[in-house]
Amino acid sequence: DQQVKQNSPSLSVQEGRISILNCDYTNSMFDYFLWYKKYPAEGPTFLISISSIKDKNEDGRFTVFLNKSAKHLSLHIVPSQPGDSAVYFCAAVYGGATNKLIFGTGTLLAVQP
Amino acid sequence: NAGVTQTPKFQVLKTGQSMTLQCAQDMNHNSMYWYRQDPGMGLRLIYYSASEGTTDKGEVPNGYNVSRLNKREFSLRLESAAPSQTSVYFCASRTIAGVGDTQYFGPGTRLTVL
Repeated sequence: DQQVKQNSPSLSVQEGRISILNCDYTNSMFDYFLWYKKYPAEGPTFLISISSIKDKNEDGRFTVFLNKSAKHLSLHIVPSQPGDSAVYFCAAVYGGATNKLIFGTGTLLAVQP
Repeated sequence: NAGVTQTPKFQVLKTGQSMTLQCAQDMNHNSMYWYRQDPGMGLRLIYYSASEGTTDKGEVPNGYNVSRLNKREFSLRLESAAPSQTSVYFCASRTIAGVGDTQYFGPGTRLTVL
């Protein structure tokens, strides 16, 4: 059973517009979430995180929103740039101090110039 | 500062062969992890090492063994490779500071088992 789901395999947006990537989870015990970005032939790189005690976290062009009642989080990228084209994974932290991650299946974002 | 390095980058094995994937980090991190990524799926945790001298199973440990050689190095061994182990393998490391702290990933090893 997939505990972290990204239901959109791909997303295409125009440069300068907003990109919204969505993620749903099933386990209400998850208390920390991260977004990673992955380019082809590279490892994932950390983008932004959010604790379950918050509902929003911002870092420059990137904002993550968390709706605990809906078990849903989203990543907003404004404005989108061609260099943002990559696969984005959301991940939930479990296992307390061992900090293990459960990843979603990823969304391929294509930002068109 | 190289971060997390993995060797080899690519490998082709025949069914039944064995091999060891190497991972090293130079960030003085305590915890290290091995993941695999398959098409259409997210990364799945194979094994992890919370600190030097300890290892534990993740979601998909069957068919694999690990060794935390020292604080820097964490290797993943396939004793008898199977086609189902064709995947991209990522190593990651993290310092122990709190829940949710970033894991830093290596570039991956692409393994094909024929």
